[in-house]
Amino acid sequence: AQSVTQPDIHITVSEGASLELRCNYSYGATPYLFWYVQSPGQGLQLLLKYFSGDTLVQGIKGFEAEFKRSQSSFNLRKPSVHWSDAAEYFCAVGPDMRFGAGTRLTVKP
Amino acid sequence: DSGVTQTPKHLITATGQRVTLRCSPRSGDLSVYWYQQSLDQGLQFLIQYYNGEERAKGNILERFSAQQFPDLHSELNLSSLELGDSALYFCASSVASGTYNEQFFGPGTRLTVL
Repeated sequence: AQSVTQPDIHITVSEGASLELRCNYSYGATPYLFWYVQSPGQGLQLLLKYFSGDTLVQGIKGFEAEFKRSQSSFNLRKPSVHWSDAAEYFCAVGPDMRFGAGTRLTVKP
Repeated sequence: DSGVTQTPKHLITATGQRVTLRCSPRSGDLSVYWYQQSLDQGLQFLIQYYNGEERAKGNILERFSAQQFPDLHSELNLSSLELGDSALYFCASSVASGTYNEQFFGPGTRLTVL
């Protein structure tokens, strides 16, 4: 069965610092992988997705993620965090659309 | 604004009751997905409809049902409500049926069961 794990429930970074949010998945074949962001009181917005091809995926808002098959990981990165990036981030694996528990990002001024 | 609308925004009801949540997809989108987000279970996929037909089922309880109408709007019916059904229910839409297509999420309906 598909599953996705986000090991970090809450991360705090300083504005301007780099960010990496971890995601590990379990799936028999190459899955569809997604990162979504949820701002307080809002629905989810897709940041980026991976199905095949180049393992480094660029998304919106300056985010990128790298698919590493050997580590069953799809970590999200951003080189310089902005205060507006504070939100909840969800990794998801398809096609069954299983979501991780989410990582809440706090940005310190 | 994703273009997906959900009504109502908030719903408060009692155990044992039945409610209907409504979703209008983005213009041109044929697929509608329903999700439940709760503190206990996290974010869970419930069901997908594509052009009026059920396409995929997730962790949807038998007390819950959904349908997609000819105008492509969708309704999620929740019956015999229990306290544990209190959650945020999201609708999402996409242009086609495969989950690799980008899904656009609505703002959600917050259901409180007392």
